[in-house]
Amino acid sequence: DQQVKQNSPSLSVQEGRISILNCDYTNSMFDYFLWYKKYPAEGPTFLISISSIKDKNEDGRFTVFLNKSAKHLSLHIVPSQPGDSAVYFCAASQFSSNTGKLIFGQGTTLQVKP
Amino acid sequence: DVKVTQSSRYLVKRTGEKVFLECVQDMDHENMFWYRQDPGLGLRLIYFSYDVKMKEKGDIPEGYSVSREKKERFSLILESASTNQTSMYLCASSTWDRGLVETQYFGPGTRLLVL
Repeated sequence: DQQVKQNSPSLSVQEGRISILNCDYTNSMFDYFLWYKKYPAEGPTFLISISSIKDKNEDGRFTVFLNKSAKHLSLHIVPSQPGDSAVYFCAASQFSSNTGKLIFGQGTTLQVKP
Repeated sequence: DVKVTQSSRYLVKRTGEKVFLECVQDMDHENMFWYRQDPGLGLRLIYFSYDVKMKEKGDIPEGYSVSREKKERFSLILESASTNQTSMYLCASSTWDRGLVETQYFGPGTRLLVL
């Protein structure tokens, strides 16, 4: 049972435009969400996170939106740059479980064309 | 900066061999994790550990074991490698910060090919 889903395997956008990556989850107990970015032959690196007490978190060109009622989060990148081309994973955790475990989605490959 | 290192970037092994993947972190993190990454499946948790000599099964522990004899080192062992264990293996570490879930920091990964 895939608790965190990224239904778009790939996304292609033009440089300078907005990239929107989506993520859905099924477990209503999840209360902390993260986005990771992964280049080929490298480990994932943390990008941005959001707690369930918020509906938006912004860091420079990156903004994460959380819609708890829809169990949906999205990552917006504005403006998109060629260096943003990578695989993006969303992840979720349940603070009350006290495990530190993250549940990852399948990933979305973003290509930003110059 | 947190540094997580993995002993090998690329590894080729034969079916039936015993394989050791080593991971070391230098930030005194309590938690360490082993994942495998496969196309279309994302990152799947194999095993994790909260402390020395402690281990917990993740979502796909079958065919794997782990060892944590020192806080900074977490080893993944494939007792008898099989071709379906060909994958990218990623190690991560994290710490507790005032009881909050902390970000996981990943190593560069080991790409294992089992022939």
